[in-house]
Amino acid sequence: DTEVTQTPKHLVMGMTNKKSLKCEQHMGHRAMYWYKQKAKKPPELMFVYSYEKLSINESVPSRFSPECPNSSLLNLHLHALQPEDSALYLCASSQDSGGAGEQFFGPGTRLTVL
Amino acid sequence: AQSVAQPEDQVNVAEGNPLTVKCTYSVSGNPYLFWYVQYPNRGLQFLLKYITGDNLVKGSYGFEAEFNKSQTSFHLKKPSALVSDSALYFCAVRDMIAGFQKLVFGTGTRLLVSP
Repeated sequence: DTEVTQTPKHLVMGMTNKKSLKCEQHMGHRAMYWYKQKAKKPPELMFVYSYEKLSINESVPSRFSPECPNSSLLNLHLHALQPEDSALYLCASSQDSGGAGEQFFGPGTRLTVL
Repeated sequence: AQSVAQPEDQVNVAEGNPLTVKCTYSVSGNPYLFWYVQYPNRGLQFLLKYITGDNLVKGSYGFEAEFNKSQTSFHLKKPSALVSDSALYFCAVRDMIAGFQKLVFGTGTRLLVSP
């Protein structure tokens, strides 16, 4: 199984809502990532988890809260988002966080904040 | 910091012709370079990577890339383009932050293959 799955595929939320994005992989990878991608732009790293511990936070606002419940799951909790947070949110995983292995990406969650 | 540049926003090629998508890099140390493809409203699919060894790297779907150290380039190539190759292509380089891997992407090149 070389797949990273993400749910939901689409999400529309108001600025006062609380929602969560979910990511799952069963490749035994020990590093997982959240990226944000605006239209026609490259992905930008948000968070890196290594062995279920938050290792990198790229100065992401606190309205985004990541969580790694176990080695296969990665969540991104959303609260009080702004319209400019509307984007494609991509999850990725790699065998480990320090090697040269490629990252495998999920299909993404298209988020719209009203 | 490591970086890559993709000088072309768009590349147009006719089906059956060879294609090249350009990427240049700026790194300290040995470069770890990657190519990804993204279809509309989809995630990124890994195509190939260069770590060390042969300068010609073969990847998925008939793509290959040529690593050129003197020109600091890592161009993506395919001998015969297909209409289905039309997509957004990203070059990326591995950067490290406190011992953890980070991918830094180029701005992307849209490839349009006409029938």
